[in-house]
Amino acid sequence: EAGVVQSPRYKIIEKKQPVAFWCNPISGHNTLYWYRQNLGQGPELLIRYENEEAVDDSQLPKDRFSAERLKGVDSTLKIQPAELGDSAVYLCASTQGTPNTEAFFGQGTRLTVV
Amino acid sequence: DAKTTQPTSMDCAEGRAANLPCNHSTISGNEYVYWYRQIHSQGPQYIIHGLKNNETNEMASLIITEDRKSSTLILPHATLRDTAVYYCIVRVGYDTDKLIFGTGTRLQVFP
Repeated sequence: EAGVVQSPRYKIIEKKQPVAFWCNPISGHNTLYWYRQNLGQGPELLIRYENEEAVDDSQLPKDRFSAERLKGVDSTLKIQPAELGDSAVYLCASTQGTPNTEAFFGQGTRLTVV
Repeated sequence: DAKTTQPTSMDCAEGRAANLPCNHSTISGNEYVYWYRQIHSQGPQYIIHGLKNNETNEMASLIITEDRKSSTLILPHATLRDTAVYYCIVRVGYDTDKLIFGTGTRLQVFP
């Protein structure tokens, strides 16, 4: 079975341009996370979904970031407009949603804003 | 959410046991201890987790102190492929399932 799939793997854009990242979680996983990881740092949670509902988006910069998880499966994270400081790796993870089950991470999307 | 404290970096000789400590002195009774590792340019990989009992799987062993304020991840026979950043995380259940990462321990396994 495929793990968490993210695309694209790499993205280079100019500042002020929009960008979108896509995540396909493991089948049957109700909980989906988006993380941002800056160079040399641990991943930071941006948003957590339970099915199609965003249950924790307190760390999502809502002025330029948005996310959706229509139908409670795939998810998209968007940045508009991108800033230089948004350069980072964006990670998606999914889990069955109980604390005694592990979360699985995708390979991430490395975003470079120039 | 409970916070964790880990050493910034550690070295280990290949074939020897790697013991990675973690302090989580504010952990609550319903919080699990999780360990993940991240090899360069990859997403974090699950290793092991536990609540209060020691756990072992094919990758590692997890030793949790009786008061649950600290734990140790043990890689019994480290290989060069174990070189990675190791994250210790405490995870609250259900309504506040955040899976918060710290800065981790960078383990360097040398020949």
